[in-house]
Amino acid sequence: AQRVTQPEKLLSVFKGAPVELKCNYSYSGSPELFWYVQYSRQRLQLLLRHISRESIKGFTADLNKGETSFHLKKPFAQEEDSAMYYCALKFSGNTPLVFGKGTRLSVIA
Amino acid sequence: NAGVTQTPKFQVLKTGQSMTLQCAQDMNHEYMSWYRQDPGMGLRLIHYSVGAGITDQGEVPNGYNVSRSTTEDFPLRLLSAAPSQTSVYFCASSYSGRGAFYEQYFGPGTRLTVT
Repeated sequence: AQRVTQPEKLLSVFKGAPVELKCNYSYSGSPELFWYVQYSRQRLQLLLRHISRESIKGFTADLNKGETSFHLKKPFAQEEDSAMYYCALKFSGNTPLVFGKGTRLSVIA
Repeated sequence: NAGVTQTPKFQVLKTGQSMTLQCAQDMNHEYMSWYRQDPGMGLRLIHYSVGAGITDQGEVPNGYNVSRSTTEDFPLRLLSAAPSQTSVYFCASSYSGRGAFYEQYFGPGTRLTVT
């Protein structure tokens, strides 16, 4: 079955430290991958998608098909990065997005 | 554009009551969906629709009904509320079809408490 796994419920880092939020998926085909972010009491919003290979707010994510991973990285964490992060996959065609359970990132000053 | 709107923002129901959560979008998106968000469970898909007149079940459809009579609206009906349906509900929309370009836009959420 298609599955998205975010192994960490909570990740705490100090300001200025590197951040890596892990995401693994199970799917034999070529998925479309996204990271969504939810700041406190706000709606979810798209952070980045693998197809565009862009960097948003200093975050990047690389698709590793061999390891079936799409980890989110940032070299230097900022306090404003504290939020809930969701990895999401669209497997094919008109199938819905499948979300992981999310990782709460807490950046400590 | 208002984007995706949801009403109400907050609702308290008694067990057994029914109600409808409203969702509307003004972006002419074909695809709409409902999720519930629970601590430690992430976002779970309830129902979705790829266009007017077409709906399908997601991961957790029991206790909920949907219909899609127009492109703009996608209401979620709770038939007989139960405490297990206490959650935050999010509606989302996007263009439909194949492709990685179709960002999902989310509404602000409805916080529902069933006592």
